[in-house]
Amino acid sequence: DQQVKQNSPSLSVQEGRISILNCDYTNSMFDYFLWYKKYPAEGPTFLISISSIKDKNEDGRFTVFLNKSAKHLSLHIVPSQPGDSAVYFCAASDPIYNQGGKLIFGQGTELSVKP
Amino acid sequence: NAGVMQNPRHLVRRRGQEARLRCSPMKGHSHVYWYRQLPEEGLKFMVYLQKENIIDESGMPKERFSAEFPKEGPSILRIQQVVRGDSAAYFCASSPPPQNTIYFGEGSWLTVV
Repeated sequence: DQQVKQNSPSLSVQEGRISILNCDYTNSMFDYFLWYKKYPAEGPTFLISISSIKDKNEDGRFTVFLNKSAKHLSLHIVPSQPGDSAVYFCAASDPIYNQGGKLIFGQGTELSVKP
Repeated sequence: NAGVMQNPRHLVRRRGQEARLRCSPMKGHSHVYWYRQLPEEGLKFMVYLQKENIIDESGMPKERFSAEFPKEGPSILRIQQVVRGDSAAYFCASSPPPQNTIYFGEGSWLTVV
């Protein structure tokens, strides 16, 4: 029962272009979402989050969009840089914890940004 | 600015041995979480602890796995009688009293041979 899904295992983008990573969820009770970035042999690093009271949150080159009716969120990176090459995980906070630390993760999307 | 500290980073155990993974949360953080990442999968929640209390262990396998976060010292994830299927990356994360974002350590990679 995969409640958070990232259907694209990999994505390749040219440097300077936009990267769009997608995430779908099934539980309408989810109200807080996070994106983490992970390099090989390292722990996930928090990137950006969004609460369900918003439909967009922006931080520098990173923007997350939330479409509650479609149960879909996306992470936009613009412009993409080679250093952005990593695995990106979408996660939802378990609503029981009122936005606490029990997260349900997607399978991840490996982004490759080519110079 | 010490982050979440995990050790050992890499651990090799033979089948049937015990594995102990340690986690020191970030300064000021009193909530600890353990996650596991099996090969080719996303991270899966295992357990949520506060000092001397297990709050939620719904993601822990029913047997052989245990976790603690004592009043003094690091949190420990203990796996008894390891099997090949326990080979995975184990990540610890911490947060201040309940907060939206949790911060992960570098992980401990367990290999069972």
